[in-house]
Amino acid sequence: GENVEQHPSTLSVQEGDSAVIKCTYSDSASNYFPWYKQELGKRPQLIIDIRSNVGEKKDQRIAVTLNKTAKHFSLHITETQPEDSAVYFCAATGGTSYGKLTFGQGTILTVHP
Amino acid sequence: EAGVTQSPTHLIKTRGQQATLRCSPISGHTSVYWYQQALGLGLQFLLWYDEGEERNRGNFPPRFSGRQFPNYSSELNVNALELEDSALYLCASSLGVSRGTEAFFGQGTRLTVV
Repeated sequence: GENVEQHPSTLSVQEGDSAVIKCTYSDSASNYFPWYKQELGKRPQLIIDIRSNVGEKKDQRIAVTLNKTAKHFSLHITETQPEDSAVYFCAATGGTSYGKLTFGQGTILTVHP
Repeated sequence: EAGVTQSPTHLIKTRGQQATLRCSPISGHTSVYWYQQALGLGLQFLLWYDEGEERNRGNFPPRFSGRQFPNYSSELNVNALELEDSALYLCASSLGVSRGTEAFFGQGTRLTVV
């Protein structure tokens, strides 16, 4: 089955800096890669996603890139703000794991004012 | 439009008892997914239901089971509760097979086994 590795496990940045979180996946047939943000005590919220037929997608300060050959995808947050502080999870699905989102271990992002 | 709703919000059970957790998907969504999130850990896939059928199952023992009703709501049953079953159980829904894979989560049920 699919296996997703996420790095780093913790990330601390100053307000205004950029943050990058990277994930690798094992199943080359996976074709959908969402990112979720989970604030303390709240539900995971879908913030951006990308499909395998696209190399990059951007939504305001958030972007995701996908390298199918290397089987990795990354979340980029620019001009970080304190409210970006949360746990971020990447996930992958498709291929042999269709319908089952396999999540990375999560990254605790802390943005210092 | 209402999001994914789960009940109860909190549940306290004794070891050996059974727990039943409920989930109502977003209107129009036919797929329901269940995940376990133990404290400080990531989300572990439990079950996926679509159109009333179990489509996929994670690496959990058979005492974790569930079902999906004709109105696409779902329940998760955990039998013979163990202390390590204490976790946040999250339900998510999506449009379903071939229509969309974007999954939206409910607020979760916090299960505590004592």
